[in-house]
Amino acid sequence: QVQLQESGPGLVKPSQTLSLTCTVSGGSISSGSYYWSWIRQPAGKGLEWIGRIYTSGSTNYNPSLKSRVTISVDTSKNQFSLKLSSVTAADTAVYYCARGADFELTFDYWGQGTLVTVSS
Amino acid sequence: QSALTQPASVSGSPGQSITISCTGTSSDVGGYNYVSWYQQHPGKAPKLMIYEVSNRPSGVPDRFSGSKSGNTASLTISGLQAEDEADYYCSSYTSSSTWVFGGGTKLTVL
Repeated sequence: QVQLQESGPGLVKPSQTLSLTCTVSGGSISSGSYYWSWIRQPAGKGLEWIGRIYTSGSTNYNPSLKSRVTISVDTSKNQFSLKLSSVTAADTAVYYCARGADFELTFDYWGQGTLVTVSS
Repeated sequence: QSALTQPASVSGSPGQSITISCTGTSSDVGGYNYVSWYQQHPGKAPKLMIYEVSNRPSGVPDRFSGSKSGNTASLTISGLQAEDEADYYCSSYTSSSTWVFGGGTKLTVL
């Protein structure tokens, strides 16, 4: 059973860079036809897709965030990461990492989520 | 990309059926059979309930079903149970190789 776990600072100052890591367990991040995504949810609001990465390094990003987002993967550590630069209070949210199934184009496994607050 | 449109709330009594709609465009819902539905209980991560419009992952009760007509997808829950009370989100793959979610629908079991 695949499990995903987000980790990183829970508090980030405005204008700084938010950095999160997702550790995948229960299987190799490189096996199978999957992609690895970040999705966020501000308190009381809906889900917003941030971007995805394949273990080849190929990425796609949400156009509204593209200029500030970088997603990377470290297959040796079975991890993938998110960096979001120049954050503001609007970036305060629960951030989820998720596995995507390449043929079904859906998100079948999710991490528990981690709250990141942007505040001075 | 604009969020898919869902009703803010729906409600039903135990044993009844409800349907949640999800409206997009020809660039997302209408253009691909890659619509998914997720259930989210308070404080929990979303759980995949339906993928590829109408397919259920293993372990999801057959009370949950999905369909699509044109630019609108629908999730139907029959035989409502108390544990079905949750937020439900649709999502769709898009022509830009991205994903878009709906705003979410709060299901209340009366």
